[in-house]
Amino acid sequence: GEDVEQSLFLSVREGDSSVINCTYTDSSSTYLYWYKQEPGAGLQLLTYIFSNMDMKQDQRLTVLLNKKDKPLSLRIADTQTGDSAIYFCAEGRGSYIPTFGRGTSLIVHP
Amino acid sequence: DVKVTQSSRYLVKRTGEKVFLECVQDMDHENMFWYRQDPGLGLRLIYFSYDVKMKEKGDIPEGYSVSREKKERFSLILESASTNQTSMYLCASTLGVGNTEAFFGQGTRLTVV
Repeated sequence: GEDVEQSLFLSVREGDSSVINCTYTDSSSTYLYWYKQEPGAGLQLLTYIFSNMDMKQDQRLTVLLNKKDKPLSLRIADTQTGDSAIYFCAEGRGSYIPTFGRGTSLIVHP
Repeated sequence: DVKVTQSSRYLVKRTGEKVFLECVQDMDHENMFWYRQDPGLGLRLIYFSYDVKMKEKGDIPEGYSVSREKKERFSLILESASTNQTSMYLCASTLGVGNTEAFFGQGTRLTVV
């Protein structure tokens, strides 16, 4: 099975909160990441969390980590049309290879 | 800021051609990676390199080779391009052992006709 799993699509209304979920399996992961990919572009790091943390907040973004069951989530408050993109979660495989999920396409409609 | 630059945004090549995709990073990163991205399949690792002249196969290396003659440059080579290699190719780099924060290039959209 995949090391990192996430759902493929999420549709929300502008102004609502978006929650993108991810599960990972590598218990040796130290850092867990969220990347954003806008159309036709590469991936850009949005935020990350240490695996010994429960939560990290950065403006409209909140990352939650359940260490026991290993779901990782990204919450975007007050979602805007500019947030429409593909969001990837990633973990470190071993010591230096980042492993990515398939990406969740977030569609924000008025 | 770390910058990862891919030589082309768009490429159109013919079946059977030899294709070179170039990637350069300017922050002295040890590790460099080539991924391909296809709808519904996410990012799949083709090859990576953890040092000059060192390379390791990723999950889908068939039909590809790589070259890392200098630390800052990592090239992906399609020896004989085929239509099933039409894809978006992404280059990335990370600082070194224990650091998996990846910095990406803008991507190369390759079409093989």
